[in-house]
Amino acid sequence: KAGVTQTPRYLIKTRGQQVTLSCSPISGHRSVSWYQQTPGQGLQFLFEYFSETQRNKGNFPGRFSGRQFSNSRSEMNVSTLELGDSALYLCASSTNTGLDVLTFGAGSRLTVL
Amino acid sequence: ILNVEQSPQSLHVQEGDSTNFTCSFPSSNFYALHWYRWETAKSPEALFVMTLNGDEKKKGRISATLNTKEGYSYLYIKGSQPEDSATYLCASADSNYQLIWGAGTKLIIKP
Repeated sequence: KAGVTQTPRYLIKTRGQQVTLSCSPISGHRSVSWYQQTPGQGLQFLFEYFSETQRNKGNFPGRFSGRQFSNSRSEMNVSTLELGDSALYLCASSTNTGLDVLTFGAGSRLTVL
Repeated sequence: ILNVEQSPQSLHVQEGDSTNFTCSFPSSNFYALHWYRWETAKSPEALFVMTLNGDEKKKGRISATLNTKEGYSYLYIKGSQPEDSATYLCASADSNYQLIWGAGTKLIIKP
């Protein structure tokens, strides 16, 4: 079966712009989680969506937002980009986060200039 | 808020040797414990999910144990190979389905 698909894979933005990243989960998976990874850092949890509802949220500013559609596809948006937002953004899907393994996508690498 | 700790932070092991490392988590409100392997330039890959006290899981040369009463899990690698070089992450899930991640143990296998 198809894996978790993230688009775009790479993108370059300038400070002040906004960006939208997309994640298509494995068919049948209702939970999508988003993570940020910066050099030297581990996985920093952004938020998790389950059946179109944000179920959990990490400690990120309000500039980071997300949503999930009825087909379980999810998007995350970052507004007013800052240099520190340059990172690899990973999404992961599961049938239900916690009890079931997460399957990660390849990530979207964002560079903010 | 759960606090998950992994030790050691990094580990150099000679090829062929066996090794193990630890994931500690608060035992209250425990739901499940996850282990993932994260190789450089790749995405994290699931190894195990364990829920019951005393659980033991095995996948090839890698195995894991779980003690929910004292709040720790061990990951064992038998006969380390160069392809085992990776960062090993654990995450503890609470009853609100939130995963709290450890910072990882970086394993380097020396040929």
